[in-house]
Amino acid sequence: EAGVAQSPRYKIIEKRQSVAFWCNPISGHATLYWYQQILGQGPKLLIQFQNNGVVDDSQLPKDRFSAERLKGVDSTLKIQPAKLEDSAVYLCASSSRRGEGTNEKLFFGSGTQLSVL
Amino acid sequence: QKEVEQDPGPLSVPEGAIVSLNCTYSNSAFQYFMWYRQYSRKGPELLMYTYSSGNKEDGRFTAQVDKSSKYISLFIRDSQPSDSATYLCAMGTSSASKIIFGSGTRLSIRP
Repeated sequence: EAGVAQSPRYKIIEKRQSVAFWCNPISGHATLYWYQQILGQGPKLLIQFQNNGVVDDSQLPKDRFSAERLKGVDSTLKIQPAKLEDSAVYLCASSSRRGEGTNEKLFFGSGTQLSVL
Repeated sequence: QKEVEQDPGPLSVPEGAIVSLNCTYSNSAFQYFMWYRQYSRKGPELLMYTYSSGNKEDGRFTAQVDKSSKYISLFIRDSQPSDSATYLCAMGTSSASKIIFGSGTRLSIRP
C-alpha cells in the first residue's frame, strides 16, 4: 500500500513570497490533515478535511494560509505572503475515519521543510 | 497550561536498557491515547494506540494509561540503537476529531 505522498521535500523562499505544498493521501482515506511542526515542537493541526469539506480550520491563519482538497483526493496548502515564523515542516496526514467517535489512526507523509529567509 | 505536557529530553540510555517515556494532560475528555515515533526528516509513524485506561503490549513496547492521574507512559524493553528517534504522545476525544500532540521526547540509544 502506497503511503502519503508530499512534494516538494524542501523549499526555501524569501519573506513575502508565496509557496504551495501538495499532498496525495493514501487511496481510500476520506480524512486529510495538514499539520505544522516547528523545530522542537509537536505537530499542530492547521486544517482537517473530510472528503472535500473542511471539518476544522480553527488554527489556520486565514489571512495568509489557504487550503483546498479537490474531488476529495489531493490537497494543496498555500502560504501568501510568507513570514519568517512560517519556517517549519508541513506534514500531511490521512486516515480512514468512518464517522464521529471512531478511531483516528493517522498516517503521515515525510513532510515539506520550509525555510523563510 | 498546555493540554499535553511532555519532557523534551534529550534522553540517552545504553543499548538494552528499559526506557520510560511519559506525558501528562489536563483535558479529562481525552479517551484515545497514541504514541508516535518520528525519525529525523520523516513524518511521525503510529507505534501504539490505546483506548481509555489500562495497558497495551506490542513486542518490546508497552503503553500505559492512567486516566485518574491524567498520565500516560510508553516503555521500551531491550532498547536498540534503531529506537533512537523522537517519541510523540498524542490524544483525542471521542466527540472531537482533533488530535493533540505533545512536544516530543528525543531518545538516543547508545551502542
